[in-house]
Amino acid sequence: ETGVTQTPRHLVMGMTNKKSLKCEQHLGHNAMYWYKQSAKKPLELMFVYSLEERVENNSVPSRFSPECPNSSHLFLHLHTLQPEDSALYLCASSQDLPGTGNTIYFGEGSWLTVV
Amino acid sequence: QKEVEQDPGPLSVPEGAIVSLNCTYSNSAFQYFMWYRQYSRKGPELLMYTYSSGNKEDGRFTAQVDKSSKYISLFIRDSQPSDSATYLCAMGGGSQGNLIFGKGTKLSVKP
Repeated sequence: ETGVTQTPRHLVMGMTNKKSLKCEQHLGHNAMYWYKQSAKKPLELMFVYSLEERVENNSVPSRFSPECPNSSHLFLHLHTLQPEDSALYLCASSQDLPGTGNTIYFGEGSWLTVV
Repeated sequence: QKEVEQDPGPLSVPEGAIVSLNCTYSNSAFQYFMWYRQYSRKGPELLMYTYSSGNKEDGRFTAQVDKSSKYISLFIRDSQPSDSATYLCAMGGGSQGNLIFGKGTKLSVKP
């Protein structure tokens, strides 16, 4: 139990579907993240939120849309995805932004397959 | 040159062996260094955290940082089959606001 809970753990969706990934952290952290993990690639940072404000968006296609309604919850809304978007999507949190040495704690991930 | 280089392996060792996992980096501003362990189909979990140069030991695990060589290592003594996982190095600090991760090294410890 990492304190960061992701649902669903597995998702299969068609290219025309709309779905959402949900993340909840029980650690009282102020910062939350979405990462994408593909085979043989480093973790790719997608979005960063600090105190519910988006502080970074790393050139992510608009078919991925994040939402952070409060400091404990983070969503990733998915629409018209491509097969190459199939990957493990990891939510994470940290006490504050990592620039001052804060460690990041990950959830178990949501395995996404786009067909 | 990539900011963080990590050999993806796979690395296969017999049970009881000493394992050495390594990362090199190019940004001399990095100040803190982490190792994460990721089991198959799970999220990464923080294993070791070190700040600046030197060694840090936790049970069978030792993290080593050599800032002059821009080189970090994770040693696993008396490796066990339960250590079979992918190990990711991560680092940050200075002007780099976010952690930079290596690709991960897949380790298999055979009984």
